[in-house]
Amino acid sequence: DQQVKQNSPSLSVQEGRISILNCDYTNSMFDYFLWYKKYPAEGPTFLISISSIKDKNEDGRFTVFLNKSAKHLSLHIVPSQPGDSAVYFCAAGYGAQKLVFGQGTRLTINP
Amino acid sequence: KAGVTQTPRYLIKTRGQQVTLSCSPISGHRSVSWYQQTPGQGLQFLFEYFSETQRNKGNFPGRFSGRQFSNSRSEMNVSTLELGDSALYLCASSSLVAGGTTDTQYFGPGTRLTVL
Repeated sequence: DQQVKQNSPSLSVQEGRISILNCDYTNSMFDYFLWYKKYPAEGPTFLISISSIKDKNEDGRFTVFLNKSAKHLSLHIVPSQPGDSAVYFCAAGYGAQKLVFGQGTRLTINP
Repeated sequence: KAGVTQTPRYLIKTRGQQVTLSCSPISGHRSVSWYQQTPGQGLQFLFEYFSETQRNKGNFPGRFSGRQFSNSRSEMNVSTLELGDSALYLCASSSLVAGGTTDTQYFGPGTRLTVL
């Protein structure tokens, strides 16, 4: 049972445009959500998080939106830059330091 | 501040052997979690330690074990290695103190284990 799903394995975006990565979850108990960026053979790098009491959190070019009724999370990157090309994972947790990860979306930014 | 460090970075073992991986958390962080990443299963939670005690455990067999020392450094051990244990093993640390909540985890570079 996959509690966190990223339905798009890959996404290609033009440099300077907006990248939107999506994530759906099934467990309504999740109260903390995170996005990580990962390069091959490296550990995930934390990007941004949001708690369930909020519906939006911004940090520079990155904004995370949370729609609790739809159990949907999205990450917006604007403007997209070539260095943003990587695999992005969403993760969720509740009541413990035990994160459940999605399968990842490979983002490619084209010049 | 130095990040999470993991040693060794790469390891090759044969079936039936055992292996120990090491993780040093960010200075001041007392919670250490371990994850396994494989192409088929993605990132999966193994266990979490805080103050030398295992607080949470994932759905892995008893061959996977861990411990944490008084300086918050952690080790994980896999006994009787199987081919399917080949994976990237990731350690993450958090400054969270209280149980019952979730907080941001910061990951190390991982140890790539290959079982032949």
